[in-house]
Order: sequence, then structure tokens, then C-alpha cells
Amino acid sequence: QKEVEQNSGPLSVPEGAIASLNCTYSDRGSQSFFWYRQYSGKSPELIMSIYSNGDKEDGRFTAQLNKASQYVSLLIRDSQPSDSATYLCAVRTSGTYKYIFGTGTRLKVLA
Amino acid sequence: DAGVIQSPRHEVTEMGQEVTLRCKPISGHDYLFWYRQTMMRGLELLIYFNNNVPIDDSGMPEDRFSAKMPNASFSTLKIQPSEPRDSAVYFCASSFLTSGKGATQYFGPGTRLTVL
Repeated sequence: QKEVEQNSGPLSVPEGAIASLNCTYSDRGSQSFFWYRQYSGKSPELIMSIYSNGDKEDGRFTAQLNKASQYVSLLIRDSQPSDSATYLCAVRTSGTYKYIFGTGTRLKVLA
Repeated sequence: DAGVIQSPRHEVTEMGQEVTLRCKPISGHDYLFWYRQTMMRGLELLIYFNNNVPIDDSGMPEDRFSAKMPNASFSTLKIQPSEPRDSAVYFCASSFLTSGKGATQYFGPGTRLTVL
């Protein structure tokens, strides 16, 4: 079992719709969770971090964390073609500063 | 700030040659990470340093790989001898730990390595 799992996609949504990206993790002791966006041929850049159960909103992005279910998600409201990218979920493993990345979900926003 | 700097941006070499990748982290950052990214395996952590000291190198694939951080502003990842399966994009990232929860990692532009 992979430590951080994501559906590879592609996830296709029409412009203006809500895109929902999901991630599960295996280390129950993990405390820190991150979503990165990576455009083709570029390096990952942080979108959001979340540490507590519940929702965290930042503009059009909402991260949701459920530690009991070992599940973290990212919602993108009013999706734009410029949101088309691969979204990487990262988890900091308990007791370390080691970050494990999922293989990413490719999002395509159709104009 | 110039961000994380990596060199070279592209490297093409032949099997058996030594390859050295270089990274300059963001000034003041106390953590440095080396990652490898491939289509099949995604982004894999190879090794990370804290205050120039290697903390976890369990992701280094084999003895052909070595990494050093002689000072706070420079790190190298060396592959000797290189093999075609080492072809990947290698990222360096740095962060400044401000709390126990972890910190944002800032990634360099990456080095695309092709081993023929």
C-alpha cells in the first residue's frame, strides 16, 4: 500500500464548475498536510496547508481534512482553464520532517 | 530573493559517467530536500538535511547516489556511475521551520537528467 494515494485522473471539469481532488494517507500519526500545484514542465508550488480537522478556505480553494478517515481533499470553486495542472498531495510523516507526496491528480478545466 | 537555484537545468550524459547536480537553497532556510520525479513513481524524497546535516537518506536508491551539504548555501547530489534508469527530473527544495507543524517547501526549477 502506498503511503499517500491519489487518483491519477485526468479529472475533467467544465469552466466555472467545482473540481474535487482527493487524497488518502496511511500514517495515522501524520499531522501536516499540503496541496501543491504543478504545471507541466514546472516545479511544484504550494497552494494550501492544513493541520486540523475540518475545512480551511483560501480564495477559490478549500482544503478539507478528516484524520479519522485519513482523508484530505481540495476543492476548487469556479474552476478556470488556468487551473489545469497536476495537483500533488503531500503529508509530513509523524515524528519527522519527511514529506511524502502522492503521484498527483491531473486536472483539466475545459473552456 | 532569487528562490532555490539549481544547476544545470538540463544534463545529458552517457551511461557510466559521473553526474553532479547542484543546489543553492533560499538564504536563511534550515532544511534542504532532494527529490526525484518520474512519470511512473511520481515525486520521491531522496534525502533531506537540517542545518547542513543529513537527517534521512533512506530514499537514496543505492550506493551510486551520494549527497553533501558542505555549508548552508550549497548542496550537491552525485550519481556515479550513472545508468539509464536514473533519467528523471531532480528537484531541490528548501524550507524554514517556523513551527512543529512543518513548513512550506520552496522548489527549485529542477534538473532534467537524461542518461543514454
